[in-house]
Amino acid sequence: AQSVAQPEDQVNVAEGNPLTVKCTYSVSGNPYLFWYVQYPNRGLQFLLKYITGDNLVKGSYGFEAEFNKSQTSFHLKKPSALVSDSALYFCAVRDRGNTDKLIFGTGTRLQVFP
Amino acid sequence: EAQVTQNPRYLITVTGKKLTVTCSQNMNHEYMSWYRQDPGLGLRQIYYSMNVEVTDKGDVPEGYKVSRKEKRNFPLILESPSPNQTSLYFCASSPAWFGNNEQFFGPGTRLTVL
Repeated sequence: AQSVAQPEDQVNVAEGNPLTVKCTYSVSGNPYLFWYVQYPNRGLQFLLKYITGDNLVKGSYGFEAEFNKSQTSFHLKKPSALVSDSALYFCAVRDRGNTDKLIFGTGTRLQVFP
Repeated sequence: EAQVTQNPRYLITVTGKKLTVTCSQNMNHEYMSWYRQDPGLGLRQIYYSMNVEVTDKGDVPEGYKVSRKEKRNFPLILESPSPNQTSLYFCASSPAWFGNNEQFFGPGTRLTVL
């Protein structure tokens, strides 16, 4: 069965430090992978996606994500966190070999402290 | 401006009183979807529509209805709301239901059923 796991409910990081938000997935075929961000009282906004090719994907606001097929992971990263990055982050996967359904993780709250 | 709009943004109602949450997109997208967001559960899909007059159940359709008479509109109907439908609701759209298209989300509707 398709699934997406975000093992951390919350990630705390000091401003200026690197951040990582973890995501692992389980699909039967080849996936499309997405990251979305939700700021307070706002809808989800698309950050970046992995389709094929280069395993390191660059997205909006200086974020990037690394696709690791052997570990079935798609961790979100940023070299230097900003307080304004504090938000709720969702990983999502679409299983191209199955129903093409988009499955969301449960979300990880990122808190960046000054 | 390309966007997905939802109305109302906030709604408090009582058990059994029928309500409709509207959703409209101005991007000529074929695919539209409704999600509910609950703490610890992430986003769960309620209903989706691949095109006009084509709708199907998502993961949690019980107690909800939808219609897609026009491409731009996809209202969510609660015929007899119950307290367990208290949640944050998001409408989303994308150019097509398949492939690597990211979804565009509305700002959300916070519903409280007393």
